[in-house]
Amino acid sequence: KQEVTQIPAALSVPEGENLVLNCSFTDSAIYNLQWFRQDPGKGLTSLLLIQSSQREQTSGRLNASLDKSSGRSTLYIAASQPGDSATYLCAVNHDRGSTLGRLYFGRGTQLTVWP
Amino acid sequence: DGGITQSPKYLFRKEGQNVTLSCEQNLNHDAMYWYRQDPGQGLRLIYYSQIVNDFQKGDIAEGYSVSREKKESFPLTVTSAQKNPTAFYLCASRGTGIYNEQFFGPGTRLTVL
Repeated sequence: KQEVTQIPAALSVPEGENLVLNCSFTDSAIYNLQWFRQDPGKGLTSLLLIQSSQREQTSGRLNASLDKSSGRSTLYIAASQPGDSATYLCAVNHDRGSTLGRLYFGRGTQLTVWP
Repeated sequence: DGGITQSPKYLFRKEGQNVTLSCEQNLNHDAMYWYRQDPGQGLRLIYYSQIVNDFQKGDIAEGYSVSREKKESFPLTVTSAQKNPTAFYLCASRGTGIYNEQFFGPGTRLTVL
């Protein structure tokens, strides 16, 4: 069964720092990996989607990389701002058998950026 | 605006009652999903549907039921058999093709009184 782990569980930094959030998964048979943002009491907002054939994706101050063979992804946030404070979730789209298309989620990294 | 709507935002249930959570999407997506989120845990899959009139159990389907009579709608019923239903419920959808990303609704918070 696919298992997804996110490190660290929580992170508190001053504004302006560059950040790296880590995600690892146990089964490299994935179609893609998605990073999401969740604000308290809200749904998930998709940030970046990396297909299994890609190495990285960028959107504004966010950059996500994928090393499928080693089962790792990182989300890099440049010049962090207080508005970046949220929980960041990593999810992999598994590609084995009857589980086609479903996502397996990590528990998230709770990020606090203080002014 | 295209998107996923969930209603109600907050729901209170007495023990022994069945309740139904609504999920509607106007994205023309084939696949729809229901997840449960508890504090300190990752999202867990309850049910998913790849196409109308077809759905499969996820990891924690016991005490839940779904239907998929229309492409746009995927309601979730929380039955009295679900022993600990207090949680945040999230609905998601995905377009045709295994490579597409999933989009999520705003969620429904269910509390058992």
